[in-house]
Amino acid sequence: QVQLVESGGGVVQPGGSLRLSCAASGFTFRSYLMHWVRQAPGKGLESLAVIYFNENERYYADSVKGRFSISRDNAKDTLYLQMNNLEVEDTAVYYCARDPGGTYDYWGQGTLVTVSS
Amino acid sequence: DVVMTQSPLSLPVTLGQPASISCRSSHSLVFSDGNTYLNWFQQRPGQSPRRLIYKVSNRDFGVPDRFSGSGSGADFTLKISRVEAEDVAVYYCMQGTHWPWTFGQGTKVDIQ
Repeated sequence: QVQLVESGGGVVQPGGSLRLSCAASGFTFRSYLMHWVRQAPGKGLESLAVIYFNENERYYADSVKGRFSISRDNAKDTLYLQMNNLEVEDTAVYYCARDPGGTYDYWGQGTLVTVSS
Repeated sequence: DVVMTQSPLSLPVTLGQPASISCRSSHSLVFSDGNTYLNWFQQRPGQSPRRLIYKVSNRDFGVPDRFSGSGSGADFTLKISRVEAEDVAVYYCMQGTHWPWTFGQGTKVDIQ
């Protein structure tokens, strides 16, 4: 069965960095676009970044462009999100999600990132 | 960015009664391939979102048939024919046609 398991969340100070991972299993990882989506406490959902099959295309939301970087290792079936220059407003649960075309059909359980001094 | 506007934002319902959530987009959601990538997600308290409906009206495997999606262009609706206790959740519409993909604000359904 399809599984997405995020890790790497934690508490970081403003201006700090963090790298999230998403381990995928139960499907052919290299055949799918993959995304990161976040949800601030008590708020709605925000799509952050998408990466194509072979990292040849990556797109970002304006809120994270220039600070966050999405990448993948198809040999390890793992998706990453490098987050730099973190701001208090980046505090959220971060989900990875699978994209079969215009939708998210599977989500991970999420990992909490807290940016606080 | 495409703005997705849901209404109502809060929906108290009586068990066994129908419920309807509207979702309007600021742009047409018809993609160049002819598909309309409008999705509905359910998020129960403390859980990850779960997809219910994709491409306007296609129900996911395992989703009860009391859930249905309809609409076209920029105007869409999620209907629950008879609300059950397990339907208490926040429901989001989301467009997957234009990047960045965007969600509605969410509609909180609870039992009155």
